[in-house]
Amino acid sequence: SSELTQPPSVSVSPGQTARITCFGDALAKQYAYWYQQKPGQAPVFIMYKDTERPSGISERFSGSSSGTTVTLTISGVEAEDEADYYCQSSGSSGFSVVFGGGTKLTVL
Amino acid sequence: EVQLVESGGDLVQPGGSLRLSCAAFEFTVSDNDMTWVRQAPGKGLEWVSIIHTGGYTYYADSVKGRFTISRDDSKNTLYLQMNTLRTEDTAVYYCARKGYSYGYEDAFDIWGQGTMVTVSS
Repeated sequence: SSELTQPPSVSVSPGQTARITCFGDALAKQYAYWYQQKPGQAPVFIMYKDTERPSGISERFSGSSSGTTVTLTISGVEAEDEADYYCQSSGSSGFSVVFGGGTKLTVL
Repeated sequence: EVQLVESGGDLVQPGGSLRLSCAAFEFTVSDNDMTWVRQAPGKGLEWVSIIHTGGYTYYADSVKGRFTISRDDSKNTLYLQMNTLRTEDTAVYYCARKGYSYGYEDAFDIWGQGTMVTVSS
């Protein structure tokens, strides 16, 4: 299956740690990528190859991978982190692209 | 500044056609894999199509046979020709660059601001 499954929502208080998971059979063989999208804005790329952070992205964002599950961790959550987060990988054929359904992070 | 600028979104009737454009600045479209991603109102991201540097194209099952991705190297522009449009094609359409040449593997590192397509009678 080329589907990626994310929890619809995650809620944390400021200063706490948020963990957003992404599950899919493809992740056992393919890397995962993460995007942050705020209302009315285009997605922003925040993580690549499961655990690598592009320049300019806060060190509070980190990634991990175990088997068919990848996790985006946001440490010391701030109000500005409130957004939708999407994981992405390659489809089963390797040529297509698949996105997870997205997770809405709410900062209480 | 490296950026992508989409245009062409509009209100169109079911069964109609529309062509979206995505102009690239400060990088060359043909040197990168380029993709279209859409987002229906209140919904998540949905991959639509991709064109590889070698010209190979791939499509989501939901648009296969109706949409065509292409590029004009002389204009450094990516296109999405959309035919036989359906109400379920209503969405913001984003173009994006795959960052493989910049060390990001299959991540889409540059995104346009999006263009709205509304299919309605």
